[in-house]
Amino acid sequence: GNSVTQMEGPVTLSEEAFLTINCTYTATGYPSLFWYVQYPGEGLQLLLKATKADDKGSNKGFEATYRKETTSFHLEKGSVQVSDSAVYFCALSDVGAQKLVFGQGTRLTINP
Amino acid sequence: SAVISQKPSRDICQRGTSLTIQCQVDSQVTMMFWYRQQPGQSLTLIATANQGSEATYESGFVIDKFPISRPNLTFSTLTVSNMSPEDSSIYLCSVGGGGPTYEQYFGPGTRLTVT
Repeated sequence: GNSVTQMEGPVTLSEEAFLTINCTYTATGYPSLFWYVQYPGEGLQLLLKATKADDKGSNKGFEATYRKETTSFHLEKGSVQVSDSAVYFCALSDVGAQKLVFGQGTRLTINP
Repeated sequence: SAVISQKPSRDICQRGTSLTIQCQVDSQVTMMFWYRQQPGQSLTLIATANQGSEATYESGFVIDKFPISRPNLTFSTLTVSNMSPEDSSIYLCSVGGGGPTYEQYFGPGTRLTVT
């Protein structure tokens, strides 16, 4: 079945550091790919998405490119801020079942 | 995107009791979903709730434990029945799931602690 694997956390960085959170997936067909963010005590917010190969999703300085050849959708940000501290979830759409499949989440902490 | 609210935002309940969680959306939506997020874990889909039909439950979740109502296109409830400490989790509702990208938008969640 479809699955999503994220890099192990937690990840701790200093402010203004470069961020990469790895995400790889296994899927049949052509799923859409998503990154969601969960700030402390809140629900999930859609951060960005990509719907086909080579699409780049971007939002709030974050970017991720849909790489079909490597089945990856890594999240990147050039200069992180303390306010980026949150849990980040990679997900794909299970088109046949019309539902999302989530990775295990990566907790990110940014120190000033 | 839709604005989604949940009630209650948190609750502490005794084992053996039941809690009903409400999910309200500010626009009409076809598909609503209920998820469980156990402490420090990812999201697990409990069921999909479409208006006018019975909810579809995922493997490991049953209607007797998690009955769901979907009386109209803007509202749904999830009941956690006969609770035990293992039911302590965040419960989230979401909407969306329709084509072409199947993205979903989430409510703020209900944090449940069972003692």
